[in-house]
Amino acid sequence: AQSVTQPDIHITVSEGASLELRCNYSYGATPYLFWYVQSPGQGLQLLLKYFSGDTLVQGIKGFEAEFKRSQSSFNLRKPSVHWSDAAEYFCAVGGFGDTDKLIFGTGTRLQVFP
Amino acid sequence: NAGVTQTPKFRVLKTGQSMTLLCAQDMNHEYMYWYRQDPGMGLRLIHYSVGEGTTAKGEVPDGYNVSRLKKQNFLLGLESAAPSQTSVYFCASRPGLAENTGELFFGEGSRLTVL
Repeated sequence: AQSVTQPDIHITVSEGASLELRCNYSYGATPYLFWYVQSPGQGLQLLLKYFSGDTLVQGIKGFEAEFKRSQSSFNLRKPSVHWSDAAEYFCAVGGFGDTDKLIFGTGTRLQVFP
Repeated sequence: NAGVTQTPKFRVLKTGQSMTLLCAQDMNHEYMYWYRQDPGMGLRLIHYSVGEGTTAKGEVPDGYNVSRLKKQNFLLGLESAAPSQTSVYFCASRPGLAENTGELFFGEGSRLTVL
């Protein structure tokens, strides 16, 4: 079955600290992987995506993620967190076919302390 | 550049009432989706459409109906609202296969409360 697991419901970091949000997936075919961010009261915005090629992908706002096939993981990282990064982060997996749909994880809420 | 627009943004219903959420996109996208977001459960797919005149069930379709009479619009209906349908509803769209980058484009959400 296709699924996405985000084991951390809530993470708190200090501004300037590094960040890693975990994502594990289960998908029958070659996965297409995404990270979305949701600010309070807003819709979801794409941070980055992985389709193929280089397993380290760069996204907006200084985020990056690394695809590790052997671990079925796609963890999101940022070297230095800013207060404006406080939001909810969703990992998603999907395919490219006509009926393929994105499956989302349950999200990780990031809180940033000054 | 409106993108994906959802109306209404807020609504309070009584149990048993009906309502329709409208999603409109101006990007000529083929695919459209309705998700609901509940605390601790992420986004769950209700229904989706792969083109004008088509609809299909997602993960949690019960209690909802949809229609895609025009390419740019995707309507989500609740015929008899229940408190369990209290949620935030998100519409999303993406291009057809030829232009697909995998990215979904989301509206800002519609918060529905059923008393």
